[in-house]
Amino acid sequence: QKEVEQDPGPLSVPEGAIVSLNCTYSNSAFQYFMWYRQYSRKGPELLMYTYSSGNKEDGRFTAQVDKSSKYISLFIRDSQPSDSATYLCAMRDDKIIFGKGTRLHILP
Amino acid sequence: NAGVTQTPKFRILKIGQSMTLQCAQDMNHNYMYWYRQDPGMGLKLIYYSVGAGITDKGEVPNGYNVSRSTTEDFPLRLELAAPSQTSVYFCASSPYGTVTNYGYTFGSGTRLTVV
Repeated sequence: QKEVEQDPGPLSVPEGAIVSLNCTYSNSAFQYFMWYRQYSRKGPELLMYTYSSGNKEDGRFTAQVDKSSKYISLFIRDSQPSDSATYLCAMRDDKIIFGKGTRLHILP
Repeated sequence: NAGVTQTPKFRILKIGQSMTLQCAQDMNHNYMYWYRQDPGMGLKLIYYSVGAGITDKGEVPNGYNVSRSTTEDFPLRLELAAPSQTSVYFCASSPYGTVTNYGYTFGSGTRLTVV
């Protein structure tokens, strides 16, 4: 089993919809969880991070961590065409382990 | 602040040629990393450094070398380029001992093609 699993997509949703992006992981030692957003031909940028289990909200974005299930989620409310990008989950112990990314297309 | 700066942005190499990918950061971060990103394969760690004079191998170090003589710079050297090294290369940095920032700051990447 790979350390971090993420569906590559692509995921296409209409503008205004709620988007749910997910990752599963195998290493129960992970404590820090992140989501990066990567626009085409750009480097990844840190979108959100959380420590341990629970929810964190930032504007239209909500990050959720369920350590008992080894499952993390990113929700995007009122999705916009500008949200079209690849979203990478990431987890950290001494180094960051990245998921392969999910390509998201928001259709106008 | 410029953040993490990578040069060049694009490069085409012939098989067997060598080149150095440059990476510089102006945030006084101790930790620096080199990743390669291939389509559908995610980010793979090539080398990393925890401070000037200290480097270590990542997941895919073969065919690459690094050095870290200053806090700011972390160049990646490709010797005897091979088609398998065609990829997008990202440099990243992160602070040491910071309790509020757990992420990396990435550069904009170098797109390398070996023909």
